[in-house]
Amino acid sequence: EPEVTQTPSHQVTQMGQEVILRCVPISNHLYFYWYRQILGQKVEFLVSFYNNEISEKSEIFDDQFSVERPDGSNFTLKIRSTKLEDSAMYFCASSYTDNEQFFGPGTRLTVL
Amino acid sequence: GQQLNQSPQSMFIQEGEDVSMNCTSSSIFNTWLWYKQDPGEGPVLLIALYKAGELTSNGRLTAQFGITRKDSFLNISASIPSDVGIYFCAGPYNQGGKLIFGQGTELSVKP
Repeated sequence: EPEVTQTPSHQVTQMGQEVILRCVPISNHLYFYWYRQILGQKVEFLVSFYNNEISEKSEIFDDQFSVERPDGSNFTLKIRSTKLEDSAMYFCASSYTDNEQFFGPGTRLTVL
Repeated sequence: GQQLNQSPQSMFIQEGEDVSMNCTSSSIFNTWLWYKQDPGEGPVLLIALYKAGELTSNGRLTAQFGITRKDSFLNISASIPSDVGIYFCAGPYNQGGKLIFGQGTELSVKP
């Protein structure tokens, strides 16, 4: 069964460093998303992406964040200058219809 | 803004028991999604509901889309230890792609 994959599974970085989180969505899906989940809390929307552009973003997704689909298979989230409060699980999701969203296993980001 | 409230927050049950949890909203949703999350993993889609009154099953799981479109429930019958995890309801914000999640119901199953 096709699934969303994410790399790395765990990323440790120093405050102020740039990180890139990578995702390979399900191959025939058209809609792509990033969510994050701070430990013990609910999943929060960051950004949605369709037709090579951002379709919606949350207040969390400020100028420090960017997304890219550099080729036909990868979808990346970049955090330009990480802060301590960026520590969280980051989930990529994809959907064929913008309804049922399928999530990847997540990247645990730890900012020291 | 739109919020989803799940209850109960946590449940401790004996293996073999049936479980029911629900999700309510102050505003209407056109889609309800139920996910399960194991520790350190991503949410896994269990059931998707699209029509008011719809009742859908997936194995031992049954979910219903409330008639008012402001609530949904998830039932698990004959629970087993691998049902342990956090169950989230989710729905699209303003009919868009952005999903709003409830705060989750944590299920513990005692063998």
